[in-house]
Amino acid sequence: AAGVIQSPRHLIKEKRETATLKCYPIPRHDTVYWYQQGPGQDPQFLISFYEKMQSDKGSIPDRFSAQQFSDYHSELNMSSLELGDSALYFCASTLRTGNHEQYFGPGTRLTVT
Amino acid sequence: AQKVTQAQTEISVVEKEDVTLDCVYETRDTTYYLFWYKQPPSGELVFLIRRNSFDEQNEISGRYSWNFQKSTSSFNFTITASQVVDSAVYFCALSGNQGAQKLVFGQGTRLTINP
Repeated sequence: AAGVIQSPRHLIKEKRETATLKCYPIPRHDTVYWYQQGPGQDPQFLISFYEKMQSDKGSIPDRFSAQQFSDYHSELNMSSLELGDSALYFCASTLRTGNHEQYFGPGTRLTVT
Repeated sequence: AQKVTQAQTEISVVEKEDVTLDCVYETRDTTYYLFWYKQPPSGELVFLIRRNSFDEQNEISGRYSWNFQKSTSSFNFTITASQVVDSAVYFCALSGNQGAQKLVFGQGTRLTINP
């Protein structure tokens, strides 16, 4: 069965650079979530989209933005990167009317130097 | 607000011992969902179980079992006859039934199984 795809898997950027993380949800899933997991921490919710509209927002910095496109893939754009942005970024998808299980992608490990 | 607490930061046991990971949650939702995820050193989040708030039946899957007690707001996870491959960080998580249903995670328990 198809899973959630995230690209790239690893990304190294310098301070003040920009980064774009991509997420391709499971086919027919209508909801996408982004989570950030810092070293030694639990995943923290950033933002979610349902049917291409933002549905909820967590502790996402103003330097970050995200959107969901017509083909349901989502992109997380991160600008003016800081050392503290180094983390594992997970994307998850679900079907809103389904079993409430979020299917996680493998994550993108972002390192800011 | 929703909150999940995993009081055990780290647990270390010898292989073949049984081990229980505790999870306590807080929510005002009458309908909610509880989850356990495993995160091995490779970093991916592996789904283990989902439990609905209206289904208090305990569940057993091989060496894994889960004890959901609504009266004490707990959803504990037991590994029987632990194996070295069980070594990982385990997260308990909670989502509500309204809106975007984002997951709120506990702090995680790092489980080390020693040979």
